[in-house]
Amino acid sequence: KAGVTQTPRYLIKTRGQQVTLSCSPISGHRSVSWYQQTPGQGLQFLFEYFSETQRNKGNFPGRFSGRQFSNSRSEMNVSTLELGDSALYLCASSLDAGPFHNEQFFGPGTRLTVL
Amino acid sequence: QKEVEQNSGPLSVPEGAIASLNCTYSDRGSQSFFWYRQYSGKSPELIMFIYSNGDKEDGRFTAQLNKASQYVSLLIRDSQPSDSATYLCAVGVRAGGTSYGKLTFGQGTILTVHP
Repeated sequence: KAGVTQTPRYLIKTRGQQVTLSCSPISGHRSVSWYQQTPGQGLQFLFEYFSETQRNKGNFPGRFSGRQFSNSRSEMNVSTLELGDSALYLCASSLDAGPFHNEQFFGPGTRLTVL
Repeated sequence: QKEVEQNSGPLSVPEGAIASLNCTYSDRGSQSFFWYRQYSGKSPELIMFIYSNGDKEDGRFTAQLNKASQYVSLLIRDSQPSDSATYLCAVGVRAGGTSYGKLTFGQGTILTVHP
């Protein structure tokens, strides 16, 4: 069974631009969660999508948004990029929504650098 | 108080020894606990999950959960140099009014196994 895939793997953008990242979950998984990982803040939850609906959202500004399609694939968008948005963006796939009795599997991540 | 705290590292153990990684959490309602391993430059990999009090063993790994003490640990027996990585403790916590909750991560403990 194929794992979680994320595209692109690396991105370099400049301040003020916007970016769209894509995530395809494991076949049969209906939930996709997005995380930001930085050396200073660690792994932080951005949001979770299940059945095309955002089920939960972390403490990030509105510049961070996402969506999920009927095939469970998900995209996240960051508008008006700031230097502090440079990070590894990870998506995680799971069968059901939420973390309770529900294992999440991570993709390889997208490394975003904002210049 | 942080939601999830891990013992500060780095932790260095000789090959063949037992490595002990600890994690405490603040939400008494937490029900799901996970350990991820993250090699440098890679994404987190799920290695253990535990939902009930007590011990759970899988090969050289044992997860221990004590909900009364709000404590979860990971023991790695017969440690190998290939176990050298950052270990992340993750806890499913309730998230303000939603039934889905979110996965909250500790800052990670760097483990080095030296030959």
